[in-house]
Amino acid sequence: EAQVTQNPRYLITVTGKKLTVTCSQNMNHEYMSWYRQDPGLGLRQIYYSMNVEVTDKGDVPEGYKVSRKEKRNFPLILESPSPNQTSLYFCASSIDGGRYEQYFGPGTRLTVT
Amino acid sequence: DQQVKQNSPSLSVQEGRISILNCDYTNSMFDYFLWYKKYPAEGPTFLISISSIKDKNEDGRFTVFLNKSAKHLSLHIVPSQPGDSAVYFCAASDSGTYKYIFGTGTRLKVLA
Repeated sequence: EAQVTQNPRYLITVTGKKLTVTCSQNMNHEYMSWYRQDPGLGLRQIYYSMNVEVTDKGDVPEGYKVSRKEKRNFPLILESPSPNQTSLYFCASSIDGGRYEQYFGPGTRLTVT
Repeated sequence: DQQVKQNSPSLSVQEGRISILNCDYTNSMFDYFLWYKKYPAEGPTFLISISSIKDKNEDGRFTVFLNKSAKHLSLHIVPSQPGDSAVYFCAASDSGTYKYIFGTGTRLKVLA
């Protein structure tokens, strides 16, 4: 089954404790992206990757890091999480960027206390 | 500054009637537009898209209209069904930058 998987689905952590949210797709897609969803703000793009080893900032990259060492994986790293990073996070992938629909993962609910 | 706006946070429609969801954008460089549907506790799923060289795209009960001069697009659902109740996001991209900008979403409720 073609899918985007994220882990963990739920995470409660404390300020400053480094964490990684994993994302993996099995569709051989070139493009991958991370979004956060917040009430009243919709979905905002954090980072995206056009291909292996090629990443770029979205609209809200502050406080986040990403890496794309393999085509199928695109982990989101929070080096020092803060309460304002409490949010619902989605990973997505598509054949290519810009003109193709994205396939989204199920989401990761992160709470930073 | 919100480049993609969905000014109606919610919309209620009777089953069988037409649902019209609206979206406005400000960036004239956007050349591709997409609509996604999102159910609670799930990721968004793609619904329909339109290129800036077209003014209409239809897929079954769903039609997207694009008015470039007004920087406005709309999603029409006819006839509306209770299963269409969800949050709908419009998104825009400038294919030269690989970025996607999403609106804030409209919660559609179809009443049986």
